[in-house]
Order: sequence, then C-alpha cells, then structure tokens
Amino acid sequence: NAGVTQTPKFQVLKTGQSMTLQCAQDMNHEYMSWYRQDPGMGLRLIHYSVGAGITDQGEVPNGYNVSRSTTEDFPLRLLSAAPSQTSVYFCASRGQGLGYTFGSGTRLTVV
Amino acid sequence: AQSVTQPDIHITVSEGASLELRCNYSYGATPYLFWYVQSPGQGLQLLLKYFSGDTLVQGIKGFEAEFKRSQSSFNLRKPSVHWSDAAEYFCAVGVNNNDMRFGAGTRLTVKP
Repeated sequence: NAGVTQTPKFQVLKTGQSMTLQCAQDMNHEYMSWYRQDPGMGLRLIHYSVGAGITDQGEVPNGYNVSRSTTEDFPLRLLSAAPSQTSVYFCASRGQGLGYTFGSGTRLTVV
Repeated sequence: AQSVTQPDIHITVSEGASLELRCNYSYGATPYLFWYVQSPGQGLQLLLKYFSGDTLVQGIKGFEAEFKRSQSSFNLRKPSVHWSDAAEYFCAVGVNNNDMRFGAGTRLTVKP
C-alpha cells in the first residue's frame, strides 16, 4: 500500500494564479481531510469529506475548493493564490474509528 | 469552542531521561484524543489514541499517554528518551466524528 500520496511536494505560485494539489489514498478510507500547517499554529482544517460526493468546510476554508468524485481522490484547489496561502499542506485519510494517516505534505510558496 | 493547548513550545531533555509533554483540551463531550509525531520535512505519524475505556493508553516507540477527565488533560510520557525521539509532537482532539483540532505543537530536543 502506498498510503496517502500528495503531489507536488513543492510548488511556487505567483499571486493570482490557480492550482490544484492532488491527494490520493489506496486504503479505501471514507474520511479525507486537508490541513494547512503554519509555524506556531499547529494544523488547521481546511475542508473535509466523509465519503464520495460529500464535502464540508473546516476551520479555514476561504480561498480553497474541494471535490470528492471518488473514494480515492480528494484534490484541493486554490482559486486565486495569495501570499497568505503560503504554507505546508497535508492531506489525511482515515477509516471508521481510526486515527488519520497523513501524506508527506506539499510546501507551497506564493510570491 | 473546542480547542487544544500544548503549553510548552519547546522542551529539551537529556538522552535517557524521562519525558512528559502536556496537553489540555476544551470540549463538551468525551473526546477522541490523539498524539502525533512529526520529524522534519515529514508528515505526521500517529503515536497513540484514546477513544474510551482504560485511561492509560500505550502507543508505538515506547510512548504512553494518560487521559484525565477531571483535568481535561492527555499528557504524553516516555520513561527513557532516545536521540531519535527529537521531533515535533502534536496533541489533537477529534470533534464531530471527523473534524480534528490540533494543538500548536511541542518541539522536543534531545541532548546527548
């Protein structure tokens, strides 16, 4: 099993550009989430999904969109990148009653 | 609102010494509680979790944590720290069956 795979690992964007961060899991987990990690703030939940076709907002959803067309994939879209979105982004998944399995992260810089 | 507090931003211990990392939470119901570890440049790895039952839970890498409802705490302990334990540690509380709130993290340095 590959677990949770995130691509790309690193990305630099210009302000106003859009892009999609990819996340895929091969564990048939129902729950998937996107977090951003900023120094001194821990991880904050952006969006989450409890199954294919179902998504909801987390703590800091503004500026991001998600969709869940399959169980395996949960992409995160930045609509118009801003410097405040410079962060490390983590995708995570879990099955019923389990702790999350995290991907290795995407380090995004917006200039 | 639900929250998690890790009072110590940075802790330094000597190799072989014992370790306790503190975590306090604020949540109305019985929470799901987790400890994760993150090595530099890596994702988070689950150390242990508490859902119900025995309040002392054992995890991987020799870690344990104790849930104390009266103190709203879930402190992480290890009897003897190894140099490889140097990392950042995050406490988290599970909310509403999916939302998970994380503390700001405690960075552990291990002195030789």
